[in-house]
Amino acid sequence: AQTVTQSQPEMSVQEAETVTLSCTYDTSESNYYLFWYKQPPSRQMILVIRQEAYKQQNATENRFSVNFQKAAKSFSLKISDSQLGDTAMYFCAFMKQRGTQGGSEKLVFGKGTKLTVNP
Amino acid sequence: ETGVTQSPTHLIKTRGQQVTLRCSSQSGHNTVSWYQQALGQGPQFIFQYYREEENGRGNFPPRFSGLQFPNYSSELNVNALELDDSALYLCASSLKWRASTDTQYFGPGTRLTVL
Repeated sequence: AQTVTQSQPEMSVQEAETVTLSCTYDTSESNYYLFWYKQPPSRQMILVIRQEAYKQQNATENRFSVNFQKAAKSFSLKISDSQLGDTAMYFCAFMKQRGTQGGSEKLVFGKGTKLTVNP
Repeated sequence: ETGVTQSPTHLIKTRGQQVTLRCSSQSGHNTVSWYQQALGQGPQFIFQYYREEENGRGNFPPRFSGLQFPNYSSELNVNALELDDSALYLCASSLKWRASTDTQYFGPGTRLTVL
């Protein structure tokens, strides 16, 4: 079974600064995907970024980038130029690749990190 | 493109009652997954539906059941409600195509309170 650990329950950052959220995972799978989702107080889970395990290049989406270390099973999220709208719970999630044999694609989530961006 | 929608937004039930939650998939998606998110926790996978059949289930008892309809919308039914069923229920849709693994996109959730 896969597990995802987010060791920082809460973090805060000043507006315009950079912050890094940590995530580690445990799996025996070799093909999988990793995600960061954001859940603002409005509750809707919003995809921030996705990383395929077979890709060595770290994913980036505008101000958001990841540091994916496959051997260390680490997947941290860096937010640059933090904005007030980035205030939210951030969840790291793991999904095993389905492959040709079928099966479900379930997300396994960490417990989340509450990020507060201060003005 | 229409996103994932869920209804109702909030629901209050008493212990022992039954509840039905609804989800409409994002257009073009054929798979629906349901998650339970207790307060202060990450979401937990309940089950997934693909082509109107259950396609994987998490560690939830049989009183949690579901349906998927030909238009890919879905229902989550919970019988004999317990206090611990109080949570945010999230629906996510995705496109299952051959061997690809697609990203799941979430709806706004239904907040269920069991008294």
